[in-house]
Amino acid sequence: KQEVTQIPAALSVPEGENLVLNCSFTDSAIYNLQWFRQDPGKGLTSLLLIQSSQREQTSGRLNASLDKSSGRSTLYIAASQPGDSATYLCAVGYGGSQGNLIFGKGTKLSVKP
Amino acid sequence: KAGVTQTPRYLIKTRGQQVTLSCSPISGHRSVSWYQQTPGQGLQFLFEYFSETQRNKGNFPGRFSGRQFSNSRSEMNVSTLELGDSALYLCASRKAQGTTEAFFGQGTRLTVV
Repeated sequence: KQEVTQIPAALSVPEGENLVLNCSFTDSAIYNLQWFRQDPGKGLTSLLLIQSSQREQTSGRLNASLDKSSGRSTLYIAASQPGDSATYLCAVGYGGSQGNLIFGKGTKLSVKP
Repeated sequence: KAGVTQTPRYLIKTRGQQVTLSCSPISGHRSVSWYQQTPGQGLQFLFEYFSETQRNKGNFPGRFSGRQFSNSRSEMNVSTLELGDSALYLCASRKAQGTTEAFFGQGTRLTVV
């Protein structure tokens, strides 16, 4: 059974700090991995999608890496801001007929001014 | 372009009733997936529809059902509501099944009393 784990469950940092969020998955035969952001009571906002053939993707202050062989992905946030406070979720997709995403429980990030 | 639209945003129902939720995907997207999010279980996959056919189903009882129309809009129905069905129901839109970036709506918050 595929499982996705995110550590830590919660993280509090001062504004301006660089930080790394971790995601691990048990089945390395993934097709892609997607990072999302969720604000309280809201839907999910897609941040980055990494295909299995890629090692990393970048968008602004965000950089996501993927190491399929070790079953790990990291989301790096540079120069954090209070507006980055949210829950960050990673999800793995296995493609083909198994079209669903399998989600981790998320990391709740709080950036203090 | 318009994002994923879910209606209604909030619902309060009584145990034993049934409810129908609606999701309109991004224009041109043909895959719609449904997820249930609760504090305890996180995000869990319900089912995926592509070209009006259910392609994949999660581990939920038969009280949960769905359908997709020719314009790709999807509805999800829950019959004989239970207190444990209280959750945020999220819909995801993708251009194709399983392989491409998923975009989520704002969700429908269902409360069963």
